Amino acid sequence: DSGVTQTPKHLITATGQRVTLRCSPRSGDLSVYWYQQSLDQGLQFLIQYYNGEERAKGNILERFSAQQFPDLHSELNLSSLELGDSALYFCASSPTGSLAGEQYFGPGTRLTVT
Amino acid sequence: EDQVTQSPEALRLQEGESSSLNCSYTVSGLRGLFWYRQDPGKGPEFLFTLYSAGEEKEKERLKATLTKKESFLHITAPKPEDSATYLCAVRSADYGGSQGNLIFGKGTKLSVKP
Repeated sequence: DSGVTQTPKHLITATGQRVTLRCSPRSGDLSVYWYQQSLDQGLQFLIQYYNGEERAKGNILERFSAQQFPDLHSELNLSSLELGDSALYFCASSPTGSLAGEQYFGPGTRLTVT
Repeated sequence: EDQVTQSPEALRLQEGESSSLNCSYTVSGLRGLFWYRQDPGKGPEFLFTLYSAGEEKEKERLKATLTKKESFLHITAPKPEDSATYLCAVRSADYGGSQGNLIFGKGTKLSVKP
């Protein structure tokens, strides 16, 4: 158990809908990272937050957004969902925002868009 | 463009049959190379971090090494419980203009038969 929690574990929704994925980092970790994992693309970095502020963006679509709250939990919002958004979404955390060591991953949320 | 390539894509071993997984990388300023293990439907589990050429890390039957262009994950006398997908990731100083972001390879799926 990495200490990172994610809810829900599974999510099934229809095209055009909006969903929110939630992540709680390890105790004491200030950085939260979001990743998308699909069979053809592998694990892709989406966005990073550090102590409530956006730190870096990766391959995140404009339909997707995230935020980190004062208690350091984070939410990833996915809107206008398409079939291609079906994937595993992972949250990871680390103690600092830069020159950090390893990232610790949560168990993931499996999103299925029908 | 920063890139990580892992080979082989899949590897089947008999229990006790030692082998190596390869991770070759092209990055603009390596700020760390990371190995993760991922079991089906679960989040990646951190194994090792390597920072400089010549560095080696060991954990049970696993040993990771790093050169200027690639890393190897050596598996000595593997057991069926070592079956998993092994992911390699690098942190580049220039990716997305920010530090702390990992670029993952697509992984090597290892199967160890008893």
